[in-house]
Amino acid sequence: AQRVTQPEKLLSVFKGAPVELKCNYSYSGSPELFWYVQYSRQRLQLLLRHISRESIKGFTADLNKGETSFHLKKPFAQEEDSAMYYCALNYGGATNKLIFGTGTLLAVQP
Amino acid sequence: NAGVTQTPKFQVLKTGQSMTLQCAQDMNHNSMYWYRQDPGMGLRLIYYSASEGTTDKGEVPNGYNVSRLNKREFSLRLESAAPSQTSVYFCASSAVSYEQYFGPGTRLTVT
Repeated sequence: AQRVTQPEKLLSVFKGAPVELKCNYSYSGSPELFWYVQYSRQRLQLLLRHISRESIKGFTADLNKGETSFHLKKPFAQEEDSAMYYCALNYGGATNKLIFGTGTLLAVQP
Repeated sequence: NAGVTQTPKFQVLKTGQSMTLQCAQDMNHNSMYWYRQDPGMGLRLIYYSASEGTTDKGEVPNGYNVSRLNKREFSLRLESAAPSQTSVYFCASSAVSYEQYFGPGTRLTVT
């Protein structure tokens, strides 16, 4: 069965430090993965998806099929990056049904 | 352009009561979704609709019904609420780009 695992509930770093939010997945097909973010008092929104290979707000994520991982990285954290981050897997193909990880709260200290 | 709207924002029900959560989107999206989010868990898909008049079960459909009467609106109904349905409910919509746009959520408490 498909599964998304985010092992860290909370990640606390200082401003300017590198950030890596971990995401591992289990899926028998060809995975399509996303990172969604929820800032305080805002709606859940898409941060990036692996297909587009974009860098959004300085964040990147590379799909590693060998390790079944899709970790989110940023070289220098900013205070405005503090938010809840969810990794999600599309298990429904064209239906875009998503299964979410439990989320990681990123707290960037000044 | 309001995006995805949900009503109500908060609701308290007694066990056995029924209610309908409303969701509407103004982005002309074909696909709509209902999720629930419980403490310590990620969002879990309850139901999905690919287009008007079609619906499909997600991970946790038991105890819920949905209606997609038109392209804009997708409602979630609890026929007989149970304490286990205490949760935050999110509606989302998407076009073919696969990005899902989320509503602000409805916080439901069943006592």
